[in-house]
Amino acid sequence: NAGVMQNPRHLVRRRGQEARLRCSPVKGHSHVYWYRQLPEEGLKFMVYLQKENIIDESGMPKERFSAEFPKEGPSILRIQQVVRGDSAAYFCASSRAPGFPYNEQFFGPGTRLTVL
Amino acid sequence: TQLLEQSPQFLSIQEGENLTVYCNSSSVFSSLQWYRQEPGEGPVLLVTVVTGGEVKKLKRLTFQFGDARKDSSLHITAAQPGDTGLYLCAGGHDAGNMLTFGGGTRLMVKP
Repeated sequence: NAGVMQNPRHLVRRRGQEARLRCSPVKGHSHVYWYRQLPEEGLKFMVYLQKENIIDESGMPKERFSAEFPKEGPSILRIQQVVRGDSAAYFCASSRAPGFPYNEQFFGPGTRLTVL
Repeated sequence: TQLLEQSPQFLSIQEGENLTVYCNSSSVFSSLQWYRQEPGEGPVLLVTVVTGGEVKKLKRLTFQFGDARKDSSLHITAAQPGDTGLYLCAGGHDAGNMLTFGGGTRLMVKP
C-alpha cells in the first residue's frame, strides 16, 4: 500500500461514542483523502485535505463528521456520537504535491469501524 | 454527479480462461486508475491511464482507456487463482482532486 499507514485497523464503538481514525500519508505526500466503503460497495469520497487546510469536504456528512490534517502529525477523521450506520471501512489515501500530472492516490489498509 | 459503472459486478471463472471487465461513464476523466482490493485490505494501484486510446500491459493484464476518455477496460489472459479479488476503476479529474470509484467487479478464479 505504498506506505500509507492507518490506525487503528479495527475499532469498535458503542452508539453515542466518538471514533478517531488516524492516517499518516506516504512520506513526501502533502495531499490526503478520506473515503468510506460500505459492505459490498465501492469507495465513496468524503474529504480532501492539504496541510492545515480542508480543500473539498463535499462528500462529508454535514453533522458529526470532521477532519483535519495538522502541520505536524497524522490526519484525523473524527466521528462524534456514532450510529450503527457509520459502520464501514474508512480508507485514507495520499498523493504527491501539486504539479504532479496524474492524480495517483495510494491507499492505506483502512480502519474497520463497527458500531454496536 | 459523475458516475462510473462497472460490469460485470460478479465473475466466476475457471483457471486458464480469459475475461474482460468494463468501466463506463458519460463523463470525461483526466485519468483512469485501476485498483485491486483483497478482503480486509486497502485498494492497491495497478495502473493509471491518461491518454485517450492508451493501452498498458502488466504481465497478463491489459488496460485500455477509451478514445474519448469516458470508458476503460481490463482484460486478463489465462486467469489464475491469484487473480481473485475486487477490481475497482476510479476516474480522476484534475490533479489534486478526488477519485470517483466504480462499484467494483468481484472476480473469483477457481483452480
